[in-house]
Amino acid sequence: DTEVTQTPKHLVMGMTNKKSLKCEQHMGHRAMYWYKQKAKKPPELMFVYSYEKLSINESVPSRFSPECPNSSLLNLHLHALQPEDSALYLCASSQAWGTSGSDTQYFGPGTRLTVL
Amino acid sequence: GQNIDQPTEMTATEGAIVQINCTYQTSGFNGLFWYQQHAGEAPTFLSYNVLDGLEEKGRFSSFLSRSKGYSYLLLKELQMKDSASYLCAVRENSGAGSYQLTFGKGTKLSVIP
Repeated sequence: DTEVTQTPKHLVMGMTNKKSLKCEQHMGHRAMYWYKQKAKKPPELMFVYSYEKLSINESVPSRFSPECPNSSLLNLHLHALQPEDSALYLCASSQAWGTSGSDTQYFGPGTRLTVL
Repeated sequence: GQNIDQPTEMTATEGAIVQINCTYQTSGFNGLFWYQQHAGEAPTFLSYNVLDGLEEKGRFSSFLSRSKGYSYLLLKELQMKDSASYLCAVRENSGAGSYQLTFGKGTKLSVIP
């Protein structure tokens, strides 16, 4: 099973709303990632968690708040977003760093977010 | 930081062979990945190279030359469903036992009958 699931598939929110994106994997991966992808652009790394601890924050604004409650789940809490934050938000997972093998990242289907 | 270059668009004929090139500059190279992404969908993993040479997986092959900072993805016996964007991504050591994956801008491949 190489499936990463994300909910919801689509989300429309106002600038004053608070919402959360969820990601789940059951591959035993200990590294999980959030990416943001705008139309016709490559994915941009936002956050990386390794062993449930935040390892990389790519200077993401504080209106995006990640959380990793356990080794299978990754959340992205959204608050006071701007219209320019509208994008496809992708979650990915891989074996943790330092393990042998390709450490291939497997992506979920994404959440398409629209901020009004 | 790193600089990853790949052609923006390519067109090829069904049944033919196409080669998509990727060049990169990085200070802490730790592997190169190719992903396929259909419009509106998530990227899916195609191949991985960390050592020089050719990796073959069915109709897809990927080549790496670390000394030249160069890779290519070779697609054989093209099918219409191969029309997609192909993303070259370089993994770089970012210190403290961690790494990050940076994507090129992608090559949009159109397969025509």
